[in-house]
Amino acid sequence: GQNIDQPTEMTATEGAIVQINCTYQTSGFNGLFWYQQHAGEAPTFLSYNVLDGLEEKGRFSSFLSRSKGYSYLLLKELQMKDSASYLCAAMDSNYQLIWGAGTKLIIKP
Amino acid sequence: ETGVTQTPRHLVMGMTNKKSLKCEQHLGHNAMYWYKQSAKKPLELMFVYSLEERVENNSVPSRFSPECPNSSHLFLHLHTLQPEDSALYLCASSQDQGGPYEQYFGPGTRLTVT
Repeated sequence: GQNIDQPTEMTATEGAIVQINCTYQTSGFNGLFWYQQHAGEAPTFLSYNVLDGLEEKGRFSSFLSRSKGYSYLLLKELQMKDSASYLCAAMDSNYQLIWGAGTKLIIKP
Repeated sequence: ETGVTQTPRHLVMGMTNKKSLKCEQHLGHNAMYWYKQSAKKPLELMFVYSLEERVENNSVPSRFSPECPNSSHLFLHLHTLQPEDSALYLCASSQDQGGPYEQYFGPGTRLTVT
């Protein structure tokens, strides 16, 4: 079957670095997406990886290892506004997104 | 503001009511989606439309009925719902379906079935 695993909740300190991991099993693979969702709001796109390696975008970076079925989202210089849920989604061979349940990130001062 | 709007934002309905959720996208996209989001569960894809044609229906109960009159509007008609249907219903759009396209989400309708 198709499956995405990510931690349910993580806590980090303002100004620190946090890494949110995601492992996936899909029928075929057409890339890995990360979305951010603040409470009561729409999910918004953060990143897309289809090749192995690290993609950096400001304070946020996303990494993919296709051979390991593994991705992570790295958030640097954490700010209080980064408190949100982070959704990992893998795209299968039919271009359908398989979603994880999301990681709730709590930032403490 | 993602370019996708949904109304109403909140809806409380009894099990015998009929209501409709509306979604509109202002992005010129060709594909639109309905998702169900329940607490601590992955997003569940319900329906996919591409150029106003339904291309995906993931075994959704018939009490949920989608309608896509044009590529900018999507409706979800609800009737005879069950309490377990209470959830956040998200609409999304993408440039096209069948490719690695980013999806843009609306803010959702929080549905409570009493």
